[in-house]
Amino acid sequence: EVQLVESGGGLIQPGGSQRLSCAASDFTSSDYISWVRQPPGKGLEWVSVIYFGGSTYYADSVKGRFSISRDTSKTTVYLQMNSLRAEDTAVYYCAVFDARGYWFDPWGQGTLVTVSS
Amino acid sequence: QSALTQPRSVSGSLGQSVTISCSGTSSNVGDYNYVSWYQQHPGKAPKLIIYDVSKRPSGVPDRFSASKSGNTASLTISGLQAEDEADYHCCSYAGTYPYVVFGGGTKLTVL
Repeated sequence: EVQLVESGGGLIQPGGSQRLSCAASDFTSSDYISWVRQPPGKGLEWVSVIYFGGSTYYADSVKGRFSISRDTSKTTVYLQMNSLRAEDTAVYYCAVFDARGYWFDPWGQGTLVTVSS
Repeated sequence: QSALTQPRSVSGSLGQSVTISCSGTSSNVGDYNYVSWYQQHPGKAPKLIIYDVSKRPSGVPDRFSASKSGNTASLTISGLQAEDEADYHCCSYAGTYPYVVFGGGTKLTVL
């Protein structure tokens, strides 16, 4: 089973930028990768997804500020986050998104992004 | 405010059964058989335990079962064990944007 490892979280000032990475042990050509976030003490929120062909989709809350991409070897997926706000504070998880039934499996361990001055 | 509504907390005694509800609308839970459930222990990543409304991935005990009726999905855990104490999140396909929606999560306490 593919294993995912996120990195890049940290403390960022409001208005700042940060890039998260999601490294996979073994993506297959059919893998879709999604980012899901979880604010402290709250539920899960879908953020973005990138399909193998390159199509990307975003939640309205991050559209125009966040950008998802994958490297040419397709073993790492990135989430570029710009114009960060306090409400973006969350643990960010990457997960394989199975479009056969719209479920997420497996998940990475998550990386904490804190937006605060 | 999550798109799907779950009780904030439920509890049950060791060996008993508990059911967690997940209430949606005709635009998500009610219209698609694409409901999934995730178990999340404190400080850990979510883990898929149910997909396609009622299917269990390999390795998930058959104590976990799930179903759907109308706009409401349900997860039942029978023969509660101490290690079942965790947060449980439901998720549904929503057809169009935002494509998938989550519930707010339910904290299960095993007494």
